[in-house]
Amino acid sequence: NAGVTQTPKFRVLKTGQSMTLLCAQDMNHEYMYWYRQDPGMGLRLIHYSVGEGTTAKGEVPDGYNVSRLKKQNFLLGLESAAPSQTSVYFCASSYPLGQADSPLHFGNGTRLTVT
Amino acid sequence: EDKVVQSPLSLVVHEGDTVTLNCSYEVTNFRSLLWYKQEKKAPTFLFMLTSSGIEKKSGRLSSILDKKELFSILNITATQTGDSAIYLCAPTNSGTYKYIFGTGTRLKVLA
Repeated sequence: NAGVTQTPKFRVLKTGQSMTLLCAQDMNHEYMYWYRQDPGMGLRLIHYSVGEGTTAKGEVPDGYNVSRLKKQNFLLGLESAAPSQTSVYFCASSYPLGQADSPLHFGNGTRLTVT
Repeated sequence: EDKVVQSPLSLVVHEGDTVTLNCSYEVTNFRSLLWYKQEKKAPTFLFMLTSSGIEKKSGRLSSILDKKELFSILNITATQTGDSAIYLCAPTNSGTYKYIFGTGTRLKVLA
């Protein structure tokens, strides 16, 4: 049982380049989330999805886009990377809030550096 | 706007000490509160609290929620160097489907 898998683990981009981060979960979770973590800032929500085909903005969505075409996958795109997007990105998934067992399960993160 | 404040921001103790970490929150449509431990990589789940006044325990760790005063505490007794980590709390908002994370408490346990 793999849980939540993120690819790639590391990436270095130049300013202006684009990339897609892939998140895949095998727990049949409805909800999926993308967070970024910067020193002293905790985990900040970028975008999230409460079901296949639906997405919503979190607290820091600018410069990112997402898609949830399949229930098990949640993609995070950077169209034109900026140095301010240097961060560690975590994907997470859960059952719907209100179900008895709905903790967030995290992937191992992607460390992105934009030069 | 939903808010979470964790205190202290950082803490240094010696092995065997007992520590109490605090999490206060203001969240509309509050559903539950979760605690996570984060070492080098991804946060790992510790507890989920939904009912006020009921303590959850796992070994040397325990946690309790006060829904009236809007806070939770995480206690760690007989600390070990392996407890060194960032501890995150996250109340949930069932209206927005969000888990709202605090900035965490960085705990360092010295041998």
